[in-house]
Amino acid sequence: GAVVSQHPSRVICKSGTSVKIECRSLDFQATTMFWYRQFPKQSLMLMATSNEGSKATYEQGVEKDKFLINHASLTLSTLTVTSAHPEDSSFYICSARDGGGAADTQYFGPGTRLTVL
Amino acid sequence: QKEVEQDPGPLSVPEGAIVSLNCTYSNSAFQYFMWYRQYSRKGPELLMYTYSSGNKEDGRFTAQVDKSSKYISLFIRDSQPSDSATYLCAMKRIKAAGNKLTFGGGTRVLVKP
Repeated sequence: GAVVSQHPSRVICKSGTSVKIECRSLDFQATTMFWYRQFPKQSLMLMATSNEGSKATYEQGVEKDKFLINHASLTLSTLTVTSAHPEDSSFYICSARDGGGAADTQYFGPGTRLTVL
Repeated sequence: QKEVEQDPGPLSVPEGAIVSLNCTYSNSAFQYFMWYRQYSRKGPELLMYTYSSGNKEDGRFTAQVDKSSKYISLFIRDSQPSDSATYLCAMKRIKAAGNKLTFGGGTRVLVKP
């Protein structure tokens, strides 16, 4: 199946710093990638949709200046949490759309656990 | 009311039993249906992808879709302790804006040895 990687898997940072998370599709080209946030024992909350070469589309209530998304190539999207605060601590998961496979659906990365002190 | 409803569980079964999971939805525009498995602190893993009403089988997994009732199911036969995870249903419209998925809240499953 399609493989999506994320880096780092875990990050701890001080309040006020910025953190960059990378999402890569390893064996397919993803014109669309998605960023989700997940709180403990809750389902996935879509933050934004990222299309290669264009600006990301953010969901209602998600601050685009705080969560910067860049989708520079067909295999890489990055999420930067700027000036992170403790309330930004969460599990961030990316997914990539494999439109060329048997199932036109999303494949998820392993997630990044962010802890802001 | 949520677009997709899923019982949060936990659903506890003995090893070897059949696990039965389901989701209901309200929007008939959903035409694609998926089941994902998520282990604790990991990303979701795609298990099944279906389009038409009826059954689809893959190993120990069977996905069932009943569009007339707006009801989908996932059955896991001969359950193993390694099947203990949260199972998420997801759905998509034919021309979903941005190809977005709509998720159920997830059902936590515990398979006891």
